[in-house]
Amino acid sequence: DQQVKQNSPSLSVQEGRISILNCDYTNSMFDYFLWYKKYPAEGPTFLISISSIKDKNEDGRFTVFLNKSAKHLSLHIVPSQPGDSAVYFCAASATGGSQGNLIFGKGTKLSVKP
Amino acid sequence: EAGVTQFPSHSVIEKGQTVTLRCDPISGHDNLYWYRRVMGKEIKFLLHFVKESKQDESGMPNNRFLAERTGGTYSTLKVQPAELEDSGVYFCASSRLGTGWETQYFGPGTRLLVL
Repeated sequence: DQQVKQNSPSLSVQEGRISILNCDYTNSMFDYFLWYKKYPAEGPTFLISISSIKDKNEDGRFTVFLNKSAKHLSLHIVPSQPGDSAVYFCAASATGGSQGNLIFGKGTKLSVKP
Repeated sequence: EAGVTQFPSHSVIEKGQTVTLRCDPISGHDNLYWYRRVMGKEIKFLLHFVKESKQDESGMPNNRFLAERTGGTYSTLKVQPAELEDSGVYFCASSRLGTGWETQYFGPGTRLLVL
């Protein structure tokens, strides 16, 4: 049973438009959420995170929204650029205030077309 | 600052052989994690070291896998004997030891193929 689900395996967006990547989770004990970006033959690169006590976190073109009641989070990229084309992984952790391992979704492949 | 490094980048072995993967975390990072991604599936947690101690090894699939982190610096993950289902990409990640959440930084991975 998957605790973190990314139901869209792929997403194609035009350069300059908004990319919205979605993630659902089932474990109410998760208290920290992260997005990682991964290029082929590389490891996941940390992008942005959010604590469960917040509902939004913004870093430049990237914004993560958390809806705890719906157990849903999303990553918005505005404006999208061709260099954003990669696989995006949603991850969550039940830290209990300390360090914990990450539970990953299967990833969404984003293609940004010029 | 150097990132997490992993060696080798690729390994092709036959079923029944032994393989040892190595991870060098970012300097000063006491937390070290091993994850694995099997083809087409999600990245899954294997185990977590805090310095040289195993904090959580709940993700280790079976006793064919042995992880060590002597001295609390680099870590090795040995698979003995390797089976076909062990094929995948093995990632190592590290983070600082802090009072709250510390971001985990991943290495490039070791691609293991068991034939």
